[in-house]
Amino acid sequence: EVYLVESGGGLVQPGGSLRLSCAASGFTFSDHFMDWVRQVPGKGLEWVGRIRNKANSYTTDYAASVKGRFTVSRDDSKNSLYLHINSLKTEDTAVYYCVRTAASYFFDYWGQGTLVTVSS
Amino acid sequence: QLVLTQSPSASASLGASVKLTCTLSSGHTNYAIAWHQQQPEKGPRYLMKLNSDGSHNKGDGIPDRFSGSSSGAERYLTISSLQSEDEADYYCQTWSTGIQVFGGGTKLSVL
Repeated sequence: EVYLVESGGGLVQPGGSLRLSCAASGFTFSDHFMDWVRQVPGKGLEWVGRIRNKANSYTTDYAASVKGRFTVSRDDSKNSLYLHINSLKTEDTAVYYCVRTAASYFFDYWGQGTLVTVSS
Repeated sequence: QLVLTQSPSASASLGASVKLTCTLSSGHTNYAIAWHQQQPEKGPRYLMKLNSDGSHNKGDGIPDRFSGSSSGAERYLTISSLQSEDEADYYCQTWSTGIQVFGGGTKLSVL
C-alpha cells in the first residue's frame, strides 16, 4: 500500500525559512515524478511544484506564485521528498500535501498534509 | 490559458444520483482530467482519470457508484446511490507542459 507522510510544518515568522519532508513507502519512489500541493484553510487546492525522476534529470517546475522562493528536491536513497521555502509570507499559510504523480501525469496518491502557519 | 471551471456547490438526496461538471477552457477541450474527493478534515483522495472520449481509470478501492463521462469541453463525475460519506469537496485537475491546474472545487451536500 502506498503511504506518503509529510512532516516539518509548524509556526514560522514572516521572512523565515522552512523545510518540509515527505516519507514515501509502498512503491518504487525513484520511478515517479513527485509534487507538492497546498491548500489555504477553507480554500481550494493550489499546485506548488514538481520534481521529475532521474530518467528525466530531476528537473523541476514551479507555480508562478512561488517561483524563486520554493525549491523541491528529493533523495531517492531515502525515499524522501522535500520542499524548501524561503522568505515566508503570511499568504504561505496553508496545509502542504505531498503527492505522487502517475505515469500519465495526474495525481494518484496524496499524503495527509502538514500545516504551515506564518505569523508573527 | 488552461482553466478548469466548477460550480461552487451542489446538493442531492441520500440514495439519489448527482452529476458534477468540470469545464475545460477554450483550446483545451480535448484534455484529460482527474477527479479528486476531499472529505471534511481529510486530505484529498484520487477518484479517477477521465479522458476526452469518456473512458476512465478509477483509483484503488473506488466504488462502482462513482463513474465518469465526457462531452466536448465538459467532464462529468456521476455519483449514484448517494451515501452520507459522499458529502465532500470534489476537485478536477488537469495538466500541461510545466503546470498543473485545479478547478475551484464543488462542495457536495447530501440531504
